[in-house]
Amino acid sequence: KQEVTQIPAALSVPEGENLVLNCSFTDSAIYNLQWFRQDPGKGLTSLLLIQSSQREQTSGRLNASLDKSSGRSTLYIAASQPGDSATYLCAVRLDSSASKIIFGSGTRLSIRP
Amino acid sequence: DAMVIQNPRYQVTQFGKPVTLSCSQTLNHNVMYWYQQKSSQAPKLLFHYYDKDFNNEADTPDNFQSRRPNTSFCFLDIRSPGLGDAAMYLCATSRELAGGNEQFFGPGTRLTVL
Repeated sequence: KQEVTQIPAALSVPEGENLVLNCSFTDSAIYNLQWFRQDPGKGLTSLLLIQSSQREQTSGRLNASLDKSSGRSTLYIAASQPGDSATYLCAVRLDSSASKIIFGSGTRLSIRP
Repeated sequence: DAMVIQNPRYQVTQFGKPVTLSCSQTLNHNVMYWYQQKSSQAPKLLFHYYDKDFNNEADTPDNFQSRRPNTSFCFLDIRSPGLGDAAMYLCATSRELAGGNEQFFGPGTRLTVL
């Protein structure tokens, strides 16, 4: 059974620092992996999608990497800003069937001014 | 702007009183999903529609039903809400099931059960 874990559950860093968020999954046979941002009481905003054949994706200050063999993905945020404060969730899709999308519980990120 | 819209944003109902949550999309996507997210937990897929084909997750309680009258709209019906059904309900869409299809989420409806 696929399990997705995000550690730590919460992280606080000062503004301007570069940081890495972690996502691990137990079954390396994934179809793709997606990173989301969720602001308090709001829905999810898609940040980056990595296909199983890719190793990384970049969007602005965000860079997501994928290492299937080790069951890990990281989300790198450069030059963090207070506006980056949110919960970041990763989700894996095991195959083309929607029923195989599994989310982690998220890392709640707080950027201190 | 093309988007996923959920109404209402906040819904209060009484224990056992049926409630319907609404989702609409202007993306013209084939797939619509409903997720349940409890506080500090991961979103949990309840079911999805591919066009008119309904796909229920095995562990979704019978208390939860869904309707998709057309491409744009999808409804979540909770027949007899219990206290444990209080959660954020998220609607999402994707163009297709296969391939690198991102899911686009609405803002969610927070359900309170009194």
